[in-house]
Amino acid sequence: EAGVAQSPRYKIIEKRQSVAFWCNPISGHATLYWYQQILGQGPKLLIQFQNNGVVDDSQLPKDRFSAERLKGVDSTLKIQPAKLEDSAVYLCASRKVSGEDTDTQYFGPGTRLTVL
Amino acid sequence: QQPVQSPQAVILREGEDAVINCSSSKALYSVHWYRQKHGEAPVFLMILLKGGEQKGHEKISASFNEKKQQSSLYLTASQLSYSGTYFCGTRADRGSTLGRLYFGRGTQLTVWP
Repeated sequence: EAGVAQSPRYKIIEKRQSVAFWCNPISGHATLYWYQQILGQGPKLLIQFQNNGVVDDSQLPKDRFSAERLKGVDSTLKIQPAKLEDSAVYLCASRKVSGEDTDTQYFGPGTRLTVL
Repeated sequence: QQPVQSPQAVILREGEDAVINCSSSKALYSVHWYRQKHGEAPVFLMILLKGGEQKGHEKISASFNEKKQQSSLYLTASQLSYSGTYFCGTRADRGSTLGRLYFGRGTQLTVWP
């Protein structure tokens, strides 16, 4: 079974530029999460989708961050415009909601963003 | 709701044991343990559910004290491959957060030969 896919793996931009990250969850996983992981810290949830609906975006800085999961499968996270403090690894995770093992989140390799 | 992990860092010789602790001020439904190596994704180790049993495989096991809202990860006879940062993720009682996890700041484990 293929894992969570993310691209790009690395991105360097200048402040005030825009950037987008892509995630394809494990097949059949209805729930998708985007996390921000700043160096030396644990992952912090930005947004959670179930199918194509948002169930929790309370920690998403909505003035500059946006995310969508239009067909309930892959997802895109966008930052516009980027700030220096957005430098972090952006992790995508997915989880199934039926059957066995519905409590476990599986993470992708992440996108390391550097804002100069 | 971020859990507190301790210690922040551990340095071991191969074959030594280690314990990593995770505590929360909130009532928990589950505790999830992950290991992350530098530049890689967090890898799931195990999950402990409220009312469930202590888990373990090979030389890594964990416990969940529901009364104290604490979990401990036990690494026995550590191997070089155990090096990495260990995170606990906690989930509040099931009715409230649709699976949202809060992660601790991590414990960096280094195993030397």
